[in-house]
Amino acid sequence: AQSVDQPDAHVTLSEGASLELRCSYSYSAAPYLFWYVQYPGQSLQFLLKYITGDTVVKGTKGFEAEFRKSNSSFNLKKSPAHWSDSAKYFCALEGRTGGNNKLTFGQGTVLSVIP
Amino acid sequence: EAAVTQSPRSKVAVTGGKVTLSCHQTNNHDYMYWYRQDTGHGLRLIHYSYVADSTEKGDIPDGYKASRPSQENFSLILELASLSQTAVYFCASSDAGANTEVFFGKGTRLTVV
Repeated sequence: AQSVDQPDAHVTLSEGASLELRCSYSYSAAPYLFWYVQYPGQSLQFLLKYITGDTVVKGTKGFEAEFRKSNSSFNLKKSPAHWSDSAKYFCALEGRTGGNNKLTFGQGTVLSVIP
Repeated sequence: EAAVTQSPRSKVAVTGGKVTLSCHQTNNHDYMYWYRQDTGHGLRLIHYSYVADSTEKGDIPDGYKASRPSQENFSLILELASLSQTAVYFCASSDAGANTEVFFGKGTRLTVV
């Protein structure tokens, strides 16, 4: 079985601060990992993905994420944060065997950036 | 630009009634998916499809049917809607192959009363 956990339902910070959204996963092998973002009233949009190789991956909108096998985490980071980053962020996992793009999502983290 | 369009965007249904949620994609993607989102939960996969005229069960298929009459269209059918099926439903599409980007629709908010 595979699972994804985003332990923080809400994160609030001031514009200009550094943001880090936590994501941990459970999977028997090395997974494919993704971050998606959902702005209010919009659909989920792809931010970045980890497949293999460099453990720090860069995505759109200035975001990056670090894959840490040692503690099964894939945290999303950005510095500095901007008010326009306020949205709901989802971490997702695709298994490497028979995944067929079927994603397992975390609960999501609502990020509020205060101007 | 890749597009996944869902209709309706919101719906109120009565318990025991039939509900059909529709999804249309212009991405020329082979794969299509239906997910549901509940408060406090991530998206969970209901049904998916690799090719027209074929559907597969996802992680939570009970109470739902799916139909893929063409590459572009994928419907989710609730034959007997229940209160527990109140949720936001997302349709998505992707290319074949692993670790490809998945494109989502804006979601349908279904309320069963």
